[in-house]
Amino acid sequence: KQEVTQIPAALSVPEGENLVLNCSFTDSAIYNLQWFRQDPGKGLTSLLLIQSSQREQTSGRLNASLDKSSGRSTLYIAASQPGDSATYLCAVRGESGYSTLTFGKGTMLLVSP
Amino acid sequence: NAGVMQNPRHLVRRRGQEARLRCSPMKGHSHVYWYRQLPEEGLKFMVYLQKENIIDESGMPKERFSAEFPKEGPSILRIQQVVRGDSAAYFCASSPGVNTGELFFGEGSRLTVL
Repeated sequence: KQEVTQIPAALSVPEGENLVLNCSFTDSAIYNLQWFRQDPGKGLTSLLLIQSSQREQTSGRLNASLDKSSGRSTLYIAASQPGDSATYLCAVRGESGYSTLTFGKGTMLLVSP
Repeated sequence: NAGVMQNPRHLVRRRGQEARLRCSPMKGHSHVYWYRQLPEEGLKFMVYLQKENIIDESGMPKERFSAEFPKEGPSILRIQQVVRGDSAAYFCASSPGVNTGELFFGEGSRLTVL
């Protein structure tokens, strides 16, 4: 059974810092990995999708890497801003059949001005 | 192109009542997924449906919960005889096909059982 762990559970940084969020998964047989952002009381916004054959994806100040063999992914946020404050969720999709996403519990990020 | 639409956004029910949550997928998407997010917990998969078919319901509680995605209209998640432990945020996601990439999520329906 796939398990996804995110570290740290919470992170507080001052504005302008670069930061890294970590995600690990127990079963390396994945189809893809997706990073989401969730604001309080809101839905999930997809940030980056990395296919299993890819090593990284970039979007603006966000960069996500994937090391499938070791079961790890990182989300790098450059020059953090208060508007980045949210919960960041990592989810993996298994490679067999009609597999669905397995989520971590998230990292709650607070960026203070 | 509207995103995944869920309604109601907030629903309050008393114990023993029924809750119906609706989800309209993105245009062109024929695959719908329901997830539940309990307080302080991660999102847990409940059920995966295509039009008129339940593909995977391995995450659905065996009793009181059911889901459908009819040929016409939205997908419905139905919870009968609700209990306080059913209080959660229920999220719907859609995708254009099997293993074809991203899932797109709705804003969620927040159920409170009194």
